[in-house]
Amino acid sequence: GENVGLHLPTLSVQEGDNSIINCAYSNSASDYFIWYKQESGKGPQFIIDIRSNMDKRQGQRVTVLLNKTVKHLSLQIAATQPGDSAVYFCAENIKGYSTLTFGKGTMLLVSP
Amino acid sequence: NAGVTQTPKFRILKIGQSMTLQCTQDMNHNYMYWYRQDPGMGLKLIYYSVGAGITDKGEVPNGYNVSRSTTEDFPLRLELAAPSQTSVYFCASSYGDPSGNTIYFGEGSWLTVV
Repeated sequence: GENVGLHLPTLSVQEGDNSIINCAYSNSASDYFIWYKQESGKGPQFIIDIRSNMDKRQGQRVTVLLNKTVKHLSLQIAATQPGDSAVYFCAENIKGYSTLTFGKGTMLLVSP
Repeated sequence: NAGVTQTPKFRILKIGQSMTLQCTQDMNHNYMYWYRQDPGMGLKLIYYSVGAGITDKGEVPNGYNVSRSTTEDFPLRLELAAPSQTSVYFCASSYGDPSGNTIYFGEGSWLTVV
């Protein structure tokens, strides 16, 4: 079936670097996408979302980019900090559906 | 603010035993969900509910049951536990459907079946 997947299982960066986490989706009917952060031993936490009528959305130190042509989603974290170390998941939703479909996740490791 | 509260945090079960994972939310959310997360994997939906008295199967419902008798509570029942049910279980809730309503997660329940 169609699903959401991630290219990189682990990303290691130095503190202060910019991080880019990628996600591919295959369901062209998906119209809403969310990035979650999951710290060790905790539940996922909402970071930022984007609708399919947008290409880019910015938050505090985070930017989500959506490329519908190639069905690709990315999360950019500026000036990565050790506190950003976590697993990051993308999730998709189809309008009118009651559930999210999650990707496998990418672990981000930030070295001081 | 309590948010989504799950109990127990950790549990070890023997094969064939049954147990209930409790979940309660104090945000007056209509939608509630149960996900499981296997090591190194994403979350898979077990069951969900869009309101009291209504439940629906998710992607991996076999071996589980749920009920939603109140808006606040959404317990997950494991009958005849199997090693394949060793996982981390997350309960979540949202005011409405996910496209525009933030889903809030509990802290997780770690279950080991031996």
